[in-house]
Amino acid sequence: QQQVKQSPQSLIVQKGGISIINCAYENTAFDYFPWYQQFPGKGPALLIAIRPDVSEKKEGRFTISFNKSAKQFSLHIMDSQPGDSATYFCAATFLTSGTYKYIFGTGTRLKVLA
Amino acid sequence: DAGVTQSPTHLIKTRGQQVTLRCSPKSGHDTVSWYQQALGQGPQFIFQYYEEEERQRGNFPDRFSGHQFPNYSSELNVNALLLGDSALYLCASSFKGLANEKLFFGSGTQLSVL
Repeated sequence: QQQVKQSPQSLIVQKGGISIINCAYENTAFDYFPWYQQFPGKGPALLIAIRPDVSEKKEGRFTISFNKSAKQFSLHIMDSQPGDSATYFCAATFLTSGTYKYIFGTGTRLKVLA
Repeated sequence: DAGVTQSPTHLIKTRGQQVTLRCSPKSGHDTVSWYQQALGQGPQFIFQYYEEEERQRGNFPDRFSGHQFPNYSSELNVNALLLGDSALYLCASSFKGLANEKLFFGSGTQLSVL
C-alpha cells in the first residue's frame, strides 16, 4: 500500500515533442508528490512538486497533473529537448512518527532525440 | 553554498568486508537520510538521522548502521558485505522545519562488492 507505481519504464521522444510519465498510488496518507530528475553519475534533483489540494502545477516546460480521485499524477514535459534526457522518478511522502517518509517510483528513462 | 557532499565517489570491496560511507549535508540542514539505489531502480530508504539519533528505518538488516555527528554530518556503515549490496548509496539532507522536509541529494557513492 506504500508503493508508487510508475510507467513507462522507458520513453523515447522526438525533440519538440511532449513527454508524459505517469504514477499511481494507493495510500491516501500521501500529502506531497515531488518529481526528481537524475542524470547519470548524479543524485536525483528536485524538479517540481505538487500537493493534493491542487490539480495542476506548471513550472516552465514542466507540468504536474494530479487526479486525487483516481490516485494518479503525471509529469508532462512540453517541447522536450535533448538536455531533458535523464531518468525521472516520481515520489510520494507522508508523515509518520514525526518525520516525512519518501516512497519513490521505479523511474522512467527518457531519451529525447535531436 | 555547498550542496550535499558524499565521499568516496566510488568504492570496491570484497564479500565479507566492512565499508563506511560519509555525507555532509547542505548548509542549514539538520537531517540526513540514506538511500540505496540498485541499477535501474528507484531509491530505497535505509534510515534517517536527526539530532544524532536514528529516527526511522526502512527494511534493511542490522548490517546497515549509521551515525550522525554534532555538525550534522553522517556515516553509513555496512558490515559483512554481500554481492547484493552493490548499488549507488545516496545521502539526502533536509531541514525539519521545512514543509514536507524537501530532500536534497548528493551525487552518491557507487559501491561494488566482488
